[in-house]
Amino acid sequence: DIQLTQSPAFLSASVGDRVTITCRATQGISSYLAWFQQKPGKAPKLLIFAASTLHDGVPSRFSGSGSGTEFTLTISSLQPEDFATYYCQQFNGFPRSFTFGPGTKVDI
Amino acid sequence: VQLLESGPGLVKPSQTLSLTCSVSGVSISSGDYYWSWIRQSPEKGLEWIGYIFYTGVTNYSPSLKSRLTMSVDTSQNQFALRLTSVTGADTAVYYCARVKYGSSWYLDYWGQGALVTVSS
Repeated sequence: DIQLTQSPAFLSASVGDRVTITCRATQGISSYLAWFQQKPGKAPKLLIFAASTLHDGVPSRFSGSGSGTEFTLTISSLQPEDFATYYCQQFNGFPRSFTFGPGTKVDI
Repeated sequence: VQLLESGPGLVKPSQTLSLTCSVSGVSISSGDYYWSWIRQSPEKGLEWIGYIFYTGVTNYSPSLKSRLTMSVDTSQNQFALRLTSVTGADTAVYYCARVKYGSSWYLDYWGQGALVTVSS
């Protein structure tokens, strides 16, 4: 089974900072990776799919890159509403199945 | 698009957990999406449970497959989850979500989540 790891697990940052989160897969997954944002008590919200495509309504300060086994989520200028936990997710196999990373908490 | 989970918040060990997801803003029968369940607990994080197509075709997580049944009711625009023989390890927030499929597969809209506690 393909596993995902994320680094760092915890990130302390300030408003205006550029933030980068890394997600690594134990096997190559092409560009089959998505990123989610989750705030306490809320459902995850899709930010990026296909490694670099922004979902509808997501601010352009969010960007994704990578392919194969290493991927990054970048927030170009952290805003107060961006303090949250971020998860990567991959799909693979046939029939398709999903796996999530353990999450990165971005805090003040 | 809105999804809303409903069902008992407390289930006794060894009994069956049943949840329903009511979908609005899109027809489950459109054929453009699969419909999925995901759960989240502090111990396991986010865990994909399975998905179903409007025709009833399913794909389940191997770790839950022996206890899991998903169904769809197109007349009510709902889909459902049934997990048998539950234990404390099944305590989690359960989310339903829409799966956009094609060249890339992703969970684009989620319900608000329903906390299910397994306890006597």
